[in-house]
Amino acid sequence: AQSVTQLGSHVSVSEGALVLLRCNYSSSVPPYLFWYVQYPNQGLQLLLKYTSAATLVKGINGFEAEFKKSETSFHLTKPSAHMSDAAEYFCAVSLMDTGRRALTFGSGTRLQVQP
Amino acid sequence: EADIYQTPRYLVIGTGKKITLECSQTMGHDKMYWYQQDPGMELHLIHYSYGVNSTEKGDLSSESTVSRIRTEHFPLTLESARPSHTSQYLCASSESGRAGGLGEQFFGPGTRLTVL
Repeated sequence: AQSVTQLGSHVSVSEGALVLLRCNYSSSVPPYLFWYVQYPNQGLQLLLKYTSAATLVKGINGFEAEFKKSETSFHLTKPSAHMSDAAEYFCAVSLMDTGRRALTFGSGTRLQVQP
Repeated sequence: EADIYQTPRYLVIGTGKKITLECSQTMGHDKMYWYQQDPGMELHLIHYSYGVNSTEKGDLSSESTVSRIRTEHFPLTLESARPSHTSQYLCASSESGRAGGLGEQFFGPGTRLTVL
């Protein structure tokens, strides 16, 4: 069974500080991995995706994530947080399930950015 | 422009009313999904469809029903709304293609439903 775990339901950083949001997956084969961002009262927007090409993936708004097979991780980072980064972030894993590709979401991490 | 639309964005309605939440996509995707999400909480898949005349229940039991008569349209209906149905409902779609594509889902803006 596929699963994805996001450590920390809430993360708070100061403006200008490093952002690190953690995501670990469980899979016996390399999956496709995604990070989505959700602003209040909106749907989910794709930040970036890992599709078995480069292990370091760059996304929108200065975010990036690194796929580490040995650690089964796909943590999201940003060197310097902006107030506008405050949102809910979801990690998702895509695996074949009974012949069909299925996407499973983590429980989400709420990022707060303090001035 | 290819996109996914949901209407209404906000709905406040009384108990016992029948409601339909609309979802349409112009990306030609075969797969469509409905998620329920309470504020600040995780997503719960309640319905999905892999094509016309195909609908399945998701991981979370829901009293709502869906239909898929046209590829681009995937409405969700509550026959008799209750306060426990108050939540945000997100619609999404994904491509098919070889091996089901990447599985990446594209989301609509959501409908926030309040049942009084």
